[in-house]
Amino acid sequence: DVKVTQSSRYLVKRTGEKVFLECVQDMDHENMFWYRQDPGLGLRLIYFSYDVKMKEKGDIPEGYSVSREKKERFSLILESASTNQTSMYLCASTVPGQLAEAFFGQGTRLTVV
Amino acid sequence: DAKTTQPNSMESNEEEPVHLPCNHSTISGTDYIHWYRQLPSQGPEYVIHGLTSNVNNRMASLAIAEDRKSSTLILHRATLRDAAVYYCILRDSGYSSASKIIFGSGTRLSIRP
Repeated sequence: DVKVTQSSRYLVKRTGEKVFLECVQDMDHENMFWYRQDPGLGLRLIYFSYDVKMKEKGDIPEGYSVSREKKERFSLILESASTNQTSMYLCASTVPGQLAEAFFGQGTRLTVV
Repeated sequence: DAKTTQPNSMESNEEEPVHLPCNHSTISGTDYIHWYRQLPSQGPEYVIHGLTSNVNNRMASLAIAEDRKSSTLILHRATLRDAAVYYCILRDSGYSSASKIIFGSGTRLSIRP
């Protein structure tokens, strides 16, 4: 069974903390994505990566960075967490190409207090 | 990126067919139409995709207008488990390895028992 695994289902962090959200896929996919989902705003793309050490900004990259040192792992980093980054974060992976099916993790609900 | 427009919400009765519309009037000739759905408390999951011809799979059917400016996802016999948010997405053909997946606001489908 294919899997995209996010390290935490729920996370509570303090304002100003550095936060790491980890995502691992076991399908040898080249492309990986990070989204955040907020009520009324849908899923918005933060960053994506199409190869190890390769990344591109999505629609809302401000306040975030990413790391892809190994093909199977894509990390989202909040350098200094703020309350407006409280959200549901979703990771996805695919093989390259516009026909590819994307597989999503279960999501991490992050609360910044 | 070409945009899609979907109704915010729809309601249907259990065991009846459901037709979920999507408008994509600015679609380019090589954009594929994908549908995903997101069940409560889960990440999105792939449903179906197509280019020009109508498509069927075990989950649903996809009917694509002749001018490709709209499409309809058809659930032939809705069950309570089909209650979800359904997203219509266009996958661009740009640089295939970096094909982004951009979600719209989707349609929240409710099923009446």
